Amino acid sequence: GAVVSQHPSRVICKSGTSVKIECRSLDFQATTMFWYRQFPKQSLMLMATSNEGSKATYEQGVEKDKFLINHASLTLSTLTVTSAHPEDSSFYICSARDRDPNFSKQYFGPGTRLTVT
Amino acid sequence: EDQVTQSPEALRLQEGESSSLNCSYTVSGLRGLFWYRQDPGKGPEFLFTLYSAGEEKEKERLKATLTKKESFLHITAPKPEDSATYLCAVRLSGGYQKVTFGTGTKLQVIP
Repeated sequence: GAVVSQHPSRVICKSGTSVKIECRSLDFQATTMFWYRQFPKQSLMLMATSNEGSKATYEQGVEKDKFLINHASLTLSTLTVTSAHPEDSSFYICSARDRDPNFSKQYFGPGTRLTVT
Repeated sequence: EDQVTQSPEALRLQEGESSSLNCSYTVSGLRGLFWYRQDPGKGPEFLFTLYSAGEEKEKERLKATLTKKESFLHITAPKPEDSATYLCAVRLSGGYQKVTFGTGTKLQVIP
């Protein structure tokens, strides 16, 4: 099956710094990538949807200037958490969809655990 | 408001004790219902996609079914390795690609 990787898997940073998380589709071209965050014992909350070569579409309540998303190629999307604060600590998961027009599957990465101290 | 509700929140089964997980939805224009398995500290793993009422999909001990209002994930003779959180998600019609997730059912299978 299709593989999506994320890097890093865990990151600890100090409050006020920025952190970049990479999401790569390893064996298919992802026309669309999604970024989710998941708090403990809660479900996945969609943050934004990005299409290759265009600006990301952010969900209501998600600050686009704080969570910068770049989908520069068909295999790579990045999420940068700028000026991170402890409340940004969460599990960030990306997913990727291939060119299938029926949207039959959405493949998820293994997640990135962000801890802001 | 579109909603996806999963029940129960948690389920504890003895090995071999079959059961079902429920995902009910109140959405307009369903364009797909998805089941995922998520292990602690990992991303969701795709299991099934269902598109229309009456459709069924099977994979090993798992069988997913869909009606106009809900979906069931039936687990037959579960094993301890089936322990995980099972998530369902729905995709709505329209141009937007958003998928809405339920809160999941945490399944524990005891040897």
